[in-house]
Amino acid sequence: DQQVKQNSPSLSVQEGRISILNCDYTNSMFDYFLWYKKYPAEGPTFLISISSIKDKNEDGRFTVFLNKSAKHLSLHIVPSQPGDSAVYFCAARYSSASKIIFGSGTRLSIRP
Amino acid sequence: GAGVSQSPSNKVTEKGKDVELRCDPISGHTALYWYRQSLGQGLEFLIYFQGNSAPDKSGLPSDRFSAERTGGSVSTLTIQRTQQEDSAVYLCASSLAPGGVYEQYFGPGTRLTVT
Repeated sequence: DQQVKQNSPSLSVQEGRISILNCDYTNSMFDYFLWYKKYPAEGPTFLISISSIKDKNEDGRFTVFLNKSAKHLSLHIVPSQPGDSAVYFCAARYSSASKIIFGSGTRLSIRP
Repeated sequence: GAGVSQSPSNKVTEKGKDVELRCDPISGHTALYWYRQSLGQGLEFLIYFQGNSAPDKSGLPSDRFSAERTGGSVSTLTIQRTQQEDSAVYLCASSLAPGGVYEQYFGPGTRLTVT
């Protein structure tokens, strides 16, 4: 039973436009959400996070939005750049446990 | 400073053999995680260590899988009697604190191929 779902396996966006990556979760006990970026043959690297008490967190070109009522979060990248082409993983953490659960990832391709 | 390192980077083994995968976390990080990523799949949680606490083994897929962390630092993931479905990239990550607001730092992974 997937508790963190990324329903779009891939996304293609033109350079300079906005990339929107979506993530849904099923467990209302999650208290912290994270986005990771992964290039081929490398481990994932942390990108941005958001606490469940907030609905938005912004860091440069990256903004994460959290809609708790819909159990949905999204990552916005604007403007998209060629170096943003990677696989993006959404992850969530339980409030009372320590393990972090990852989604299946979305492959983002930025086209010129 | 040094990041999380894993060895070997690639391992090819015959079905039925045992393998050991090593992870060296970032110095001072108290939490250590193992994940695996099968082809086309997401990151599957395997096991989590925090200090001297009993590890969270809830993600280990079978009793052929085990892991230990010696001295609160280096960790070894052992797979006994490997099967072809064990083929995956095995990723190790460490963080400053368990489940805190500290993000995980991942190693480059070990690609395991079982023939």
